[in-house]
Amino acid sequence: NAGVTQTPKFQVLKTGQSMTLQCAQDMNHEYMSWYRQDPGMGLRLIHYSVGAGITDQGEVPNGYNVSRSTTEDFPLRLLSAAPSQTSVYFCASSRDRGPTEAFFGQGTRLTVV
Amino acid sequence: DQQVKQNSPSLSVQEGRISILNCDYTNSMFDYFLWYKKYPAEGPTFLISISSIKDKNEDGRFTVFLNKSAKHLSLHIVPSQPGDSAVYFCASTNAGGTSYGKLTFGQGTILTVHP
Repeated sequence: NAGVTQTPKFQVLKTGQSMTLQCAQDMNHEYMSWYRQDPGMGLRLIHYSVGAGITDQGEVPNGYNVSRSTTEDFPLRLLSAAPSQTSVYFCASSRDRGPTEAFFGQGTRLTVV
Repeated sequence: DQQVKQNSPSLSVQEGRISILNCDYTNSMFDYFLWYKKYPAEGPTFLISISSIKDKNEDGRFTVFLNKSAKHLSLHIVPSQPGDSAVYFCASTNAGGTSYGKLTFGQGTILTVHP
């Protein structure tokens, strides 16, 4: 039972490079989301999806793109990496939009130099 | 504008004693509240939650209290154990609205339980 799987666990990028952070869940959850964690800021929502083909912006969406072609996968794309995007990224999924807890992946630590 | 605030960055407690972690929120639309626990190099894991129709919810050593009029919730851990040492995040959402489960997190409190 894998739950939510994120790859890679660590990544170093140069400013201006692009990359995709992968997220997959095997719980058949409809709702998936991406958060970033920064010191003193808690976790902030970047983008979320309520089902395949449906995505929307969260609190801090600038510089990131998402798509949801399947229920299982929700990749996060950094279009042109900036040092301000140095952070720990967490993908989460939950059963539906009701009052239910979210399950988180182990995180991707990204450094942009 | 921080809608969910955990004003204590850290808390140190002796093993066996009570740990009390606090959280304040400003958005009156929030009606569901959760606590997550996070160990280093791991993702947050769900601990306990409470709906706004309740003022208390217990699960073993963990109890969450909600004071709606004060827009304040707290997590009590009794008795505290060294394995409870972690970062604790409170999170809030408007479960009955169009939030689609979007969580707003506090900054986190680092709990250290000393043997």
